[in-house]
Amino acid sequence: DVKVTQSSRYLVKRTGEKVFLECVQDMDHENMFWYRQDPGLGLRLIYFSYDVKMKEKGDIPEGYSVSREKKERFSLILESASTNQTSMYLCASSPTPPGGFFGPGTRLTVL
Amino acid sequence: GIQVEQSPPDLILQEGANSTLRCNFSDSVNNLQWFHQNPWGQLINLFYIPSGTKQNGRLSATTVATERYSLLYISSSQTTDSGVYFCAVEGAGNMLTFGGGTRLMVKP
Repeated sequence: DVKVTQSSRYLVKRTGEKVFLECVQDMDHENMFWYRQDPGLGLRLIYFSYDVKMKEKGDIPEGYSVSREKKERFSLILESASTNQTSMYLCASSPTPPGGFFGPGTRLTVL
Repeated sequence: GIQVEQSPPDLILQEGANSTLRCNFSDSVNNLQWFHQNPWGQLINLFYIPSGTKQNGRLSATTVATERYSLLYISSSQTTDSGVYFCAVEGAGNMLTFGGGTRLMVKP
């Protein structure tokens, strides 16, 4: 079975802290995505990557950056966490042509 | 955790045909969403539908929460409808659980 794992299920951070959310997939997929899910707003794309060291902005990249140094790992970085970044973060991995493999999600609370 | 099953897993249609995709879930949920994954792998939200019926153009969705299922209807299908359709439910703790998806191919 393909696995997409995220480093934490629940995370609590303070305003101004640097936050790393890690996502790892074990199926050699080219494409990886970071989304955030908020009530009433659905799933919104933050960043995505189609290859190692490659990244593209999604719909809401402000306040976030990403890193993809290895094919299997796609990291989402909050340089200085703010309370409006409290959300659920979902990582997804996809082959070409796309299927859909999702991590369990990380519930981040910024105090 | 909540189990989400989608059917059929694969569907091939001729352009212009109608189809119904089904999503069954195993427990009460706070919300349910339907997504379309486009050929580039991005998830596009179609409906946010915890209960009732919604329509958006050629697409409509119905969720019967008491019977734990949701249906996505695609009418007059077009080749651009091709892709994978996912149902995702929001359970306790606002965690999303995705179904396995229905891969749709619409032939011209």
